[in-house]
Amino acid sequence: QKEVEQNSGPLSVPEGAIASLNCTYSDRVSQSFFWYRQYSGKSPELIMSIYSNGDKEDGRFTAQLNKASQYVSLLIRDSQPSDSATYLCAVNSDTGNQFYFGTGTSLTVIP
Amino acid sequence: EAQVTQNPRYLITVTGKKLTVTCSQNMNHEYMSWYRQDPGLGLRQIYYSMNVEVTDKGDVPEGYKVSRKEKRNFPLILESPSPNQTSLYFCASSSRSGVKTQYFGPGTRLLVL
Repeated sequence: QKEVEQNSGPLSVPEGAIASLNCTYSDRVSQSFFWYRQYSGKSPELIMSIYSNGDKEDGRFTAQLNKASQYVSLLIRDSQPSDSATYLCAVNSDTGNQFYFGTGTSLTVIP
Repeated sequence: EAQVTQNPRYLITVTGKKLTVTCSQNMNHEYMSWYRQDPGLGLRQIYYSMNVEVTDKGDVPEGYKVSRKEKRNFPLILESPSPNQTSLYFCASSSRSGVKTQYFGPGTRLLVL
């Protein structure tokens, strides 16, 4: 059973601060990694994908991947109240056909 | 507008009464998948399909069936629903090439009494 672990939170940060979300996974052969944002009552929407070690930046979001440590993180700079949501980490299987999701981290950005 | 649609959005039914939740995408995606989302358990993959007539089990396939007769449609069938299938269901699709960026439908909330 492949596992994806996330701290469920809740995580609270003040507006303008950096929010740091973490995820670990158990399968060493996983190829691709994803961060989704899910607002209450809505469907998940993709924020970023990453598949190479290192950092990947997209606007206020930075994903960091360390395959040796089986660790992927998401940094949100200049956090806004509109970033308040649950953030889901997802991992692709080695075949690329199956996906495994963490239970999500609830983030609240306090104005 | 590129989208994944699901119907119905809300459904209340009784144990044993067969039901189908439809999923359709207009992005010409080869890959489609069904998930259920339960509190404390996160999103779990039920079935996926790599292309027409190609389906495979995900992590929690018991009690579900799927079919992929057309590229755009991927219905989820519950032949004999039970209360433990009460959940929020999401359909998703993606292109088969490269990194699979999945686009999710709006969700179907199912209550089985």
